[in-house]
Amino acid sequence: GENVEQHPSTLSVQEGDSAVIKCTYSDSASNYFPWYKQELGKGPQLIIDIRSNVGEKKDQRIAVTLNKTAKHFSLHITETQPEDSAVYFCAASKANRDDKIIFGKGTRLHILP
Amino acid sequence: DAGVIQSPRHEVTEMGQEVTLRCKPISGHDYLFWYRQTMMRGLELLIYFNNNVPIDDSGMPEDRFSAKMPNASFSTLKIQPSEPRDSAVYFCASSFPELYGYTFGSGTRLTVV
Repeated sequence: GENVEQHPSTLSVQEGDSAVIKCTYSDSASNYFPWYKQELGKGPQLIIDIRSNVGEKKDQRIAVTLNKTAKHFSLHITETQPEDSAVYFCAASKANRDDKIIFGKGTRLHILP
Repeated sequence: DAGVIQSPRHEVTEMGQEVTLRCKPISGHDYLFWYRQTMMRGLELLIYFNNNVPIDDSGMPEDRFSAKMPNASFSTLKIQPSEPRDSAVYFCASSFPELYGYTFGSGTRLTVV
């Protein structure tokens, strides 16, 4: 089955700097890669996703890149702000309606003042 | 839309007692998922339903765990008897037919003493 590895487990960046979180997946048939943000005391919230027919997607300060050959994908947050502090999860699935999304272990992002 | 609603938010129970967690998915969502989150194991999928029918329960840790979805607007996750190692945050999530991302509830923090 699918296995998703996520690095780093903890990341601290100065406010205003960029943050990058990287993930790898094992199943070459996976074609849907969502990213979730979990704030303290809340459930994970979908912030951006990418499908395998594109290599990059941007939404304001957030961007995701996908390299299907290498089976890795990354989340980039630019101009980080205090409200970006949270746990971020990458995930992968085959986007078949009966296929479950497999999550990475999460990255705790700290934005330093 | 009120989102995915879970109850209770917090549950403290003694070892050996029965625990029932409840979830109301978003109206119109035909998939419902139960996850367990711990520091050690991250987000684990326990079971998921499509149109009220269980599709995959391979993540249910043992026979002490059971889940039901009697109708499209309600699901329960039951642990009987509960053990201290069941202490975790349990999330319910639902999904819309034409979208792949999940909407998570706020979770139930279970503590078994």
